[in-house]
Amino acid sequence: ETGVTQTPRHLVMGMTNKKSLKCEQHLGHNAMYWYKQSAKKPLELMFVYSLEERVENNSVPSRFSPECPNSSHLFLHLHTLQPEDSALYLCASSQTGSETQYFGPGTRLLVL
Amino acid sequence: GEDVEQSLFLSVREGDSSVINCTYTDSSSTYLYWYKQEPGAGLQLLTYIFSNMDMKQDQRLTVLLNKKDKHLSLRIADTQTGDSAIYFCAESIAGYALNFGKGTSLLVTP
Repeated sequence: ETGVTQTPRHLVMGMTNKKSLKCEQHLGHNAMYWYKQSAKKPLELMFVYSLEERVENNSVPSRFSPECPNSSHLFLHLHTLQPEDSALYLCASSQTGSETQYFGPGTRLLVL
Repeated sequence: GEDVEQSLFLSVREGDSSVINCTYTDSSSTYLYWYKQEPGAGLQLLTYIFSNMDMKQDQRLTVLLNKKDKHLSLRIADTQTGDSAIYFCAESIAGYALNFGKGTSLLVTP
């Protein structure tokens, strides 16, 4: 595996479900990001982890819970989501000191 | 925050040049980026320019930066049908965050 991978690629869940999105980077980076991409809106930065510590949380609802167990893995735990949370969730990584971010293919989430 | 502005749509004929424009917001941005997103895929880093440069060329891609007007452009020479995608302009802010535009959909017709 190379670059940034995300699983699953597609997810359909009900509003009462609990699911997790997974991101793994194989680039030796030490910063990871979650973005939300909705139709006709700019990419929204959700969470930033640098050296496994959260450094940014852009007022994201608590039904989204990130976890960064090590510098290569990032999770986004989902519970009691709303239909408006349906979107493409993108993970990215970078090396601290460099602002260049590399993106995964995303997880397309549909909340029914 | 303020918006990074891009036109939403551009259509060109195969073989022509495409120019995608962007107006960014933060005059202290260190780097400015162009990303490409094909249908169903994530964002692919195309190229970037350091803020002390005014031009960067990389094969068919030419990036022009006008810091005074906070204007960034991406020129694609000899545009091909495989170049059809959404192109995002992004500025670096706060040392690690990227502020993205809404993207320009490029359609290349035969």
